[in-house]
Amino acid sequence: DVKVTQSSRYLVKRTGEKVFLECVQDMDHENMFWYRQDPGLGLRLIYFSYDVKMKEKGDIPEGYSVSREKKERFSLILESASTNQTSMYLCASSFKWGNSPLHFGNGTRLTVT
Amino acid sequence: RKEVEQDPGPFNVPEGATVAFNCTYSNSASQSFFWYRQDCRKEPKLLMSVYSSGNEDGRFTAQLNRASQYISLLIRDSKLSDSATYLCAVNSGGYQKVTFGTGTKLQVIP
Repeated sequence: DVKVTQSSRYLVKRTGEKVFLECVQDMDHENMFWYRQDPGLGLRLIYFSYDVKMKEKGDIPEGYSVSREKKERFSLILESASTNQTSMYLCASSFKWGNSPLHFGNGTRLTVT
Repeated sequence: RKEVEQDPGPFNVPEGATVAFNCTYSNSASQSFFWYRQDCRKEPKLLMSVYSSGNEDGRFTAQLNRASQYISLLIRDSKLSDSATYLCAVNSGGYQKVTFGTGTKLQVIP
């Protein structure tokens, strides 16, 4: 079974802090993704990566950066957390071919106060 | 226009009913299509991929209409356990940029 593990289930941070969200997958997937999910807005793609050290902006990359130094690990970084980044963050991974479905981690609920 | 659009619902249906959801997409070059199920406070999980010829998995049937740019999900003989939010997802990019709809909430009532 595919396992996508996110480092924290709940996280509370203060405005201005630098925040790291970590994601690890064990299926040798080429693609990894970071989404945020908000009520009424659904899942929105922040960044994705199709290979080590490669990254592509998604639909809402502002205020975020990512790092993929190893194939199995994809990190999301909030350089200076703001209250509007309070959200559920979901990591996902998949094989590189187009009809490969995404497998999600169980999410990190981040609250920025 | 949003890339992927769904009716948010909620759809409240009695047990045993048949219910159908549609999802429209704007990019005619879209290649792959999926339905995911998301339970409250849980991550989305793949329900089924959608193939050009349509496909069925038990009580669930998925269809693709490329001419009108929509996919559909039909659930027959609804169970209480089908209550969830159903998300459609579309892959439009060469590197598998997957865009999700906002989801349709289904509540199956006893």
